Amino acid sequence: DTEVTQTPKHLVMGMTNKKSLKCEQHMGHRAMYWYKQKAKKPPELMFVYSYEKLSINESVPSRFSPECPNSSLLNLHLHALQPEDSALYLCASSQAQGDYGYTFGSGTRLTVV
Amino acid sequence: AQSVTQPDIHITVSEGASLELRCNYSYGATPYLFWYVQSPGQGLQLLLKYFSGDTLVQGIKGFEAEFKRSQSSFNLRKPSVHWSDAAEYFCAVGASNDYKLSFGAGTTVTVRA
Repeated sequence: DTEVTQTPKHLVMGMTNKKSLKCEQHMGHRAMYWYKQKAKKPPELMFVYSYEKLSINESVPSRFSPECPNSSLLNLHLHALQPEDSALYLCASSQAQGDYGYTFGSGTRLTVV
Repeated sequence: AQSVTQPDIHITVSEGASLELRCNYSYGATPYLFWYVQSPGQGLQLLLKYFSGDTLVQGIKGFEAEFKRSQSSFNLRKPSVHWSDAAEYFCAVGASNDYKLSFGAGTTVTVRA
């Protein structure tokens, strides 16, 4: 299995809702990443997990809460989002942090209404 | 910190014609360089990467790129474009002592029949 699987593919949520994005990989990668991509813009790094521990938080607002329950799974919990948080959320993984051989998932298209 | 510039926002090319996408980077040491492709609504797919060694790098889908240290460039080329090559292309740079890929703004490629 050489894929990163993200679910759901599309999500519409209200500003008072709580939702979660899920990312899964079975390549034995020990680093996992969340990126945010606005339309017509490059991806921006949000979080890095290394060996299931949060390694990097790129000053992301607390309404985004990452979680890594095990080495194959990465979640992004969403609460009280704003319309400007609407974007494509991409998950990626690599053998280890600093190993740039990223494999990206197809993303979750999030719309906040 | 490293950075990337993609001078061309949008390129239109005829099917069967050659394609060259420009990428200039800024980094003090030897960078790790990448080209990714993104189809609409999809994640990023790695086309090729340069870490060291031969400065002409072959990638997937018939793409190649050449690292030129003297020009701080890593331009992507394809001899004959297919309609399926229409997509967004991102150049990215990473540092050997860092965790973060820095992406360029991207170049949109349109292929006309």
